[in-house]
Amino acid sequence: EAQVTQNPRYLITVTGKKLTVTCSQNMNHEYMSWYRQDPGLGLRQIYYSMNVEVTDKGDVPEGYKVSRKEKRNFPLILESPSPNQTSLYFCASSLSPPFGTENQPQHFGDGTRLSIL
Amino acid sequence: AQKVTQAQTEISVVEKEDVTLDCVYETRDTTYYLFWYKQPPSGELVFLIRRNSFDEQNEISGRYSWNFQKSTSSFNFTITASQVVDSAVYFCALSEASGNTPLVFGKGTRLSVIA
Repeated sequence: EAQVTQNPRYLITVTGKKLTVTCSQNMNHEYMSWYRQDPGLGLRQIYYSMNVEVTDKGDVPEGYKVSRKEKRNFPLILESPSPNQTSLYFCASSLSPPFGTENQPQHFGDGTRLSIL
Repeated sequence: AQKVTQAQTEISVVEKEDVTLDCVYETRDTTYYLFWYKQPPSGELVFLIRRNSFDEQNEISGRYSWNFQKSTSSFNFTITASQVVDSAVYFCALSEASGNTPLVFGKGTRLSVIA
């Protein structure tokens, strides 16, 4: 079954304790992206990746890192989490970027609810 | 810069009523794409439709229909004979064809369908 898998689904942690949210897709998609969803602000893009070893900042990259060493995986890293990073996070992938003339709809993971105390 | 506005934050309807969710967008591109996504209470995001700027034909899929009007920069979504399972947050999104601008989402409309 084609899917985007995020782990963990839920995490409560404390300020400053490094954490990684994993994202894996089995559709051989080139484009992957991370979003955060906050009440009243909708979905905002954190980072995206056009292909292996190619990553770029989205709208709200501060406090986050990503890596794309393999095509299927796109982990989101919070080196020193802070309470303002408490949010619902979504990973997404598509065959080609969701912009430009190729424009493909994105497949989303089920979300990771992160609480930073 | 591109922008998507969903002015309705929350809507409540009684089952079997029709409901329209509004989406107004801003873009300078002549080629762009519009999307609707559904987020049910379980939290995942489900793709509903993509429409490109050159295709103004309205689309119907079962009880769902979309009305794209370039003259008013709107891409409204109507659910006919709403059901409790339609209760969700619905997001409209815009993507431009030029450049590397990300997909921009509206803030979402929470639809509650009451039995």
